[in-house]
Amino acid sequence: KNEVEQSPQNLTAQEGEFITINCSYSVGISALHWLQQHPGGGIVSLFMLSSGKKKHGRLIATINIQEKHSSLHITASHPRDSAVYICAALYGGATNKLIFGTGTLLAVQP
Amino acid sequence: NAGVMQNPRHLVRRRGQEARLRCSPMKGHSHVYWYRQLPEEGLKFMVYLQKENIIDESGMPKERFSAEFPKEGPSILRIQQVVRGDSAAYFCASSASQDNEQFFGPGTRLTVL
Repeated sequence: KNEVEQSPQNLTAQEGEFITINCSYSVGISALHWLQQHPGGGIVSLFMLSSGKKKHGRLIATINIQEKHSSLHITASHPRDSAVYICAALYGGATNKLIFGTGTLLAVQP
Repeated sequence: NAGVMQNPRHLVRRRGQEARLRCSPMKGHSHVYWYRQLPEEGLKFMVYLQKENIIDESGMPKERFSAEFPKEGPSILRIQQVVRGDSAAYFCASSASQDNEQFFGPGTRLTVL
């Protein structure tokens, strides 16, 4: 079982729809990253959060430490949002490494 | 402020050759991480370095792979005697300090023929 689970694995939406991607992790972490990767492309860090909620443009990320769960929301989705979205748990301490979820492939159709 | 730089962006090697991947962290960042993304698979941690020190190499294959982050110059991920299974995208990330946000480079796509 992966330490970081994402759902759904694939998501198709119509332009304008509200999108939610979920991430759960199995042990305590120091922070959680949400990343975006376009096919064959680089990785862009969208958010790093350790509590509460962050907003950037049409993107909102929330985290519930007690429930070990985070969500990424996209409001008013657009075809250019089509990408793979990856959550990654930062375990901190001496190791400081990221453990990645398997990613959610989002396709927003016009 | 330039982001994380990686070069080359694409690298083709024949089996048995050596591959050297370079990563220049963001200005002011002294923590570097290497991650590998195999075809159709997720990202996996390889190694975490701080200037001149390897902090955690638990994700590195035991043989043929090594990493360094010298006092001057970029971090280098070195793969000796490459095999086809080494074909992957290798991403570097950097952060200003431990527990800070990691910023990713564009990756190096290694193809082993």
